[in-house]
Formats: sequence, structure tokens, C-alpha cells
Amino acid sequence: SQQGEEDPQALSIQEGENATMNCSYKTSINNLQWYRQNSGRGLVHLILIRSNEREKHSGRLRVTLDTSKKSSSLLITASRAADTASYFCATDARGGSNYKLTFGKGTLLTVNP
Amino acid sequence: DAGVIQSPRHEVTEMGQEVTLRCKPISGHNSLFWYRQTMMRGLELLIYFNNNVPIDDSGMPEDRFSAKMPNASFSTLKIQPSEPRDSAVYFCASSDTPEDKRFFGPGTRLTVL
Repeated sequence: SQQGEEDPQALSIQEGENATMNCSYKTSINNLQWYRQNSGRGLVHLILIRSNEREKHSGRLRVTLDTSKKSSSLLITASRAADTASYFCATDARGGSNYKLTFGKGTLLTVNP
Repeated sequence: DAGVIQSPRHEVTEMGQEVTLRCKPISGHNSLFWYRQTMMRGLELLIYFNNNVPIDDSGMPEDRFSAKMPNASFSTLKIQPSEPRDSAVYFCASSDTPEDKRFFGPGTRLTVL
């Protein structure tokens, strides 16, 4: 299965702390995407990182990709209560259909004020 | 742009009834996706349209499920007859290209009694 798996399943931190979530996948990819889902809402795209990239930044978000370990991490710095949400990684499959994104089960992040 | 629009937001129906979910993608997006999200199975791709043409419906669970896209600005997902195990949140998403980031609608929470 190409499915990405996030780790941990749940994470609880205090406001101001950093939060790190990990994603592992099984086969080679073209790109990996991270999404956020607030309770009762749709998913919101955060970052797309390509297989030839190692690191990407967007505001307080930092994503790394290690294709040799088939893993990615999402770091949220200086967390805020508003960052409370579920975070999903999604992968395609190199050589597979370009529209097929497989989503993991997500990490539930709770940021306590 | 208002983003991806879905209706209804909530639907409660009885087993055996027909259910129709509606989606308006972002104007100009050529790719449209229907997903189903449950706690047990996570986010599953049901069907993918490109330029209004169904490309992959392999994720549609049974013949009770059907989807159409009569034009670039409208798609429907129909379940007939509905069953309690169809209870889930159904998301519509669109993207500029098949491999690009997805823009998700707010979802329809379906409960089949």
C-alpha cells in the first residue's frame, strides 16, 4: 500500500511550543503534501514538497523530506491555540496515476492555551 | 472565489432513501474528486473527473453509488438506496491539474438511520 502513516496519532502541547509530526510511506513518490483539517471542516492544503526537495518553509511551517527513509516531518513553530487540528500527509506514487493521492489517518494536534 | 461549495452540509435520512450530494468546484479547475471520510477507513477517493469526464470510479463502493458531472461547474454524488454503513462525511475537492494541491469543500455529513 502507498498509504502514508502519521506519527504520533495524537499530540498535546502548550501554546508557544513547537510541534513535530512525522509521516512514513512505503513506495517511491513524486511529491508529498501536508493538509490540515479543523474539526467539522474540509481539508486545507499546507505544503507540497517534491521528491527532489529536502526542505520547504511556509511561515511557521517547516517540512522535510527524506526519500531514503521514505519519511517526512512537519514542524510547526511557536504553536498557537488556532493550530489545533488534524494534520494529514498525502502521497502519490511514482509511476502511478498522477491524480491518486493517498491520505494517512492523521495526527490530532491539540495546542493548549 | 468562494472556494468549493457543497450542499447540503448535513443530511439525515432513513435507510432505503435516495441521497443526492452536490458540489460546485472552483471555477477554472479541471479536476474534481469525491472523497469519503470515516474514522475507520480515513479519507478514501470515490471518483475522479477530469474535464467533466469520469476517469476513475474504482473507489465507488457499490452500484448504489453513482456520480455525474454534467458541466464544469457542477457535480453530484447519488446513493440509491442508502444504507446505515454509508454514514460518513463526503467531501468534494477540485484542483487545477490532477497532481496539484486539492481544494476541499466543507463536506456533507450524511447520517443514514
